Amino acid sequence: EAGVVQSPRYKIIEKKQPVAFWCNPISGHNTLYWYLQNLGQGPELLIRYENEEAVDDSQLPKDRFSAERLKGVDSTLKIQPAELGDSAVYLCASSWDRHTEAFFGQGTRLTVV
Amino acid sequence: DQQVKQNSPSLSVQEGRISILNCDYTNSMFDYFLWYKKYPAEGPTFLISISSIKDKNEDGRFTVFLNKSAKHLSLHIVPSQPGDSAVYFCAASGENTDKLIFGTGTRLQVFP
Repeated sequence: EAGVVQSPRYKIIEKKQPVAFWCNPISGHNTLYWYLQNLGQGPELLIRYENEEAVDDSQLPKDRFSAERLKGVDSTLKIQPAELGDSAVYLCASSWDRHTEAFFGQGTRLTVV
Repeated sequence: DQQVKQNSPSLSVQEGRISILNCDYTNSMFDYFLWYKKYPAEGPTFLISISSIKDKNEDGRFTVFLNKSAKHLSLHIVPSQPGDSAVYFCAASGENTDKLIFGTGTRLQVFP
């Protein structure tokens, strides 16, 4: 069974530029998460989807961040415009539902210069 | 407010010995707890979980203990192996917070 796939693995952009991350969850997983991980910290939830519905986006900075999950499968996370403080690892995870363990992708390391 | 705390940022253990990683939580509504292991440049990997109706769950060399009255859980690895060297994250969720809340992690180093 293929795991959660994220792309790109690494991204370097200049501040004020847009950037997008892509995630393909494990087949059949209804719940999809985007997490942000800063150096030395644990992952922090940005948004959670149940199928195509965003059910928890309270931690998503909506002035510059947006996300979508078309047809309840793949998902994209976008930042526009990026700021220096957005440099972090962005992790995507999926699970059968919110009561089961989440499986993580390898993450996208974003560096904003 | 850090609801899940891992107060030891690092732990060093000799190969073959027991590794004990600790985690404390503050939210009494948490009812599901997980441990994840993370290698550099990789995403966290699920290791083991426990629900609040149990006080122990075992999977091979890994055992998680839950003390609800103390709001404390621990992960025991025995015997420890060099390949166990990684960062270990404790996470928790509950009915009033569907999302997983992670601790800050403990870096385990197992030396020969």
